[in-house]
Amino acid sequence: DAGITQSPRHKVTETGTPVTLRCHQTENHRYMYWYRQDPGHGLRLIHYSYGVKDTDKGEVSDGYSVSRSKTEDFLLTLESATSSQTSVYFCAISRQGGNQPQHFGDGTRLSIL
Amino acid sequence: SQQGEEDPQALSIQEGENATMNCSYKTSINNLQWYRQNSGRGLVHLILIRSNEREKHSGRLRVTLDTSKKSSSLLITASRAADTASYFCATDALVDTGFQKLVFGTGTRLLVSP
Repeated sequence: DAGITQSPRHKVTETGTPVTLRCHQTENHRYMYWYRQDPGHGLRLIHYSYGVKDTDKGEVSDGYSVSRSKTEDFLLTLESATSSQTSVYFCAISRQGGNQPQHFGDGTRLSIL
Repeated sequence: SQQGEEDPQALSIQEGENATMNCSYKTSINNLQWYRQNSGRGLVHLILIRSNEREKHSGRLRVTLDTSKKSSSLLITASRAADTASYFCATDALVDTGFQKLVFGTGTRLLVSP
């Protein structure tokens, strides 16, 4: 498996609290992505990064922010969690640009009550 | 937005049988990819087929692409119980910034019974 670690793997929190999910890679890949997976929607891109401090929005970025201060770490933050953000979140990496094969972490299951 | 749609949504077969799942998409692509997801795990890349290719093989996997019909199929031959998973197609699309992203379908759930 590609060296991608997501933490935490499970989290339950309350509406209105801040939440940060971490993605750590040991592959030195340039590109990193955050997706959410919901029944009936497949995977949807939240944010992506094309280098250290270089990030941009995906299709469902409202309510989320990201940061990438090192090649190996990509953080996803929910500033004030809402129940609609209950989902499974996946981090992915790729050596080349966004339409090349991506390697995924095992996800974080986030429940917001 | 452009999205691959897999068909069928669910498929149940016996070990040793072949499994075929289909993906349709809406606009022109540079490539199409197939991924597998086991329960509780992340997606695993299986195969990439470029728009100028018609067929590609990898072990027991055979992927075809028909750009005129905007469709692809994934065939798994001689299925095993370990092939039980969800299978997703992914096509490329441009976001506003010019970055190419992957757009995933909603998947086919394959159950292979011993």
